[in-house]
Amino acid sequence: DTGVSQDPRHKITKRGQNVTFRCDPISEHNRLYWYRQTLGQGPEFLTYFQNEAQLEKSRLLSDRFSAERPKGSFSTLEIQRTEQGDSAMYLCASSLSGNQETQYFGPGTRLLVL
Amino acid sequence: KQEVTQIPAALSVPEGENLVLNCSFTDSAIYNLQWFRQDPGKGLTSLLLIQSSQREQTSGRLNASLDKSSGRSTLYIAASQPGDSATYLCAGHETGYKLSFGAGTTVTVRA
Repeated sequence: DTGVSQDPRHKITKRGQNVTFRCDPISEHNRLYWYRQTLGQGPEFLTYFQNEAQLEKSRLLSDRFSAERPKGSFSTLEIQRTEQGDSAMYLCASSLSGNQETQYFGPGTRLLVL
Repeated sequence: KQEVTQIPAALSVPEGENLVLNCSFTDSAIYNLQWFRQDPGKGLTSLLLIQSSQREQTSGRLNASLDKSSGRSTLYIAASQPGDSATYLCAGHETGYKLSFGAGTTVTVRA
């Protein structure tokens, strides 16, 4: 068990460019979550997958954002036409559905949009 | 919508002192409550999870309590060490999966 991994760890892009982040959850975990965290704030929920099904999307997830988990394993989060307001830490977490539902977080991808 | 508040926003204590971190939430129908630690620029490390049917959880020097009726959780860290310096976040599980976070308490333990 190597924990949740995310790639890349840092991304700098120019406004208007598209970016894609990847998350690899803990191998046996069937639930995967994306959160966004801005400086000085707690993470905010973006979206959630159970296996390959995307079950909920936050209002924070505009049309420019799309997330996939095609085979119920890794997930990608794409941001199209990035804006400066998209600059944040994007965190991925995973859990095993059941009674305790402890969520385990990855190291995050820090995005800076210039 | 679950609102989670953490007071104080920052705390500085001398080494050896016990830490008391407070978390309050608006919806008593909370599913579980989870405490995390975050080091600067890093991801979140899970510390403790308290199920809605429990009143407290302990792990080493850490103890977390949950009072659903008053909408409060408290994290106690005994005999603080400089390595405990970090931001501590509490989060309520909504309907068993989505987490609602507070803004965190940033702790500095002075050697």
